[in-house]
Amino acid sequence: GESVGLHLPTLSVQEGDNSIINCAYSNSASDYFIWYKQESGKGPQFIIDIRSNMDKRQGQRVTVLLNKTVKHLSLQIAATQPGDSAVYFCAEKDDYKLSFGAGTTVTVRA
Amino acid sequence: DVKVTQSSRYLVKRTGEKVFLECVQDMDHENMFWYRQDPGLGLRLIYFSYDVKMKEKGDIPEGYSVSREKKERFSLILESASTNQTSMYLCASSSLAGAGNEQFFGPGTRLTVL
Repeated sequence: GESVGLHLPTLSVQEGDNSIINCAYSNSASDYFIWYKQESGKGPQFIIDIRSNMDKRQGQRVTVLLNKTVKHLSLQIAATQPGDSAVYFCAEKDDYKLSFGAGTTVTVRA
Repeated sequence: DVKVTQSSRYLVKRTGEKVFLECVQDMDHENMFWYRQDPGLGLRLIYFSYDVKMKEKGDIPEGYSVSREKKERFSLILESASTNQTSMYLCASSSLAGAGNEQFFGPGTRLTVL
């Protein structure tokens, strides 16, 4: 099957700095790419998605960038806060199904 | 708020036992999903259902079955539990409205098979 992967399993960020979480994907036919956040003891929670015909989408403090040429997806978090400490998953959508990457654990340093 | 509940947070079973994991959602969502989550592997789809009594295999269906008799409830069944099924199990639901990209997850059931 297709694989969705994140470049780094862990990321340590100083509070107030910007965070960039990267993801590589392989299925060019996916119609959406999505980011989820999972806090300790909870299920994943939707953050933001981007359609495959777009290259940038902004939300509240988050921006997702899609580079289809190199099959790369990134999530940027502005002014990282302690509450942003979590595991972040990228996912690609094919019909009903989501295929998730392995996740990046983000730790925010005070 | 959408709520997805799972019957147990923690479960310990013995090899060979039949195990039922229950999931209920209260938002009238058409789609429901079962995933397992293992360190370094992310979430892997076991089964999903897009309607009552309908089911589709995901990426790792072997050793599992599912049941969806009512729209709000989706059950995962381990017919004969094995130690390699020790994992975190996550249930999710989503609507057909829009792109259906937002899946709502339950808190998970951590299953240990001894």
